[in-house]
Amino acid sequence: DARVTQTPRHKVTEMGQEVTMRCQPILGHNTVFWYRQTMMQGLELLAYFRNRAPLDDSGMPKDRFSAEMPDATLATLKIQPSEPRDSAVYFCASGLVRGENTGELFFGEGSRLTVL
Amino acid sequence: RKEVEQDPGPFNVPEGATVAFNCTYSNSASQSFFWYRQDCRKEPKLLMSVYSSGNEDGRFTAQLNRASQYISLLIRDSKLSDSATYLCVVKGYSGNTGKLIFGQGTTLQVKP
Repeated sequence: DARVTQTPRHKVTEMGQEVTMRCQPILGHNTVFWYRQTMMQGLELLAYFRNRAPLDDSGMPKDRFSAEMPDATLATLKIQPSEPRDSAVYFCASGLVRGENTGELFFGEGSRLTVL
Repeated sequence: RKEVEQDPGPFNVPEGATVAFNCTYSNSASQSFFWYRQDCRKEPKLLMSVYSSGNEDGRFTAQLNRASQYISLLIRDSKLSDSATYLCVVKGYSGNTGKLIFGQGTTLQVKP
């Protein structure tokens, strides 16, 4: 049963520490999204990749956040240094996009980050 | 103004009721629309795509009104298991690249 895998599931850290979240998309999917969810803002798009190339990261605070896809089986989201306002659930999602057709997005279970 | 807006609710309805959610979007160039469902402390999952002519899946009916730029979801004969947050999703555009933008979600509580 193919699924998106995210690690860690939970992370508690102190302000100023580096946080790295990892995502293994579903094999064969060509698009990967990173979203952040909070009660106040809902699901915010941070960055997304098509065929490992970054397409849009305008939703991501560039001074502290970075997103990469070193290979087709791994996407990473890094926060350095972390701040309490970064506390949220971070979701990775993958999908197969053909031309203008966007198929179903499959989400991982999320990484719940708490920055003290 | 947010690109995709929904009434957050919560909508509290008795079992068997019919309930409707609306969602508005700001980009008239948007072409793809979806409803996702998110259970408490879980990840979102696709409920249904929304087609121009409207579409139905069992008790769920989705409609699109391009002129007014809104999407609706109708749930008939609601069940306790329908309690969840329903997320409206629009494929927006940044330059030539499409991206999926989520509304904040509408929370539904179905009571016995």
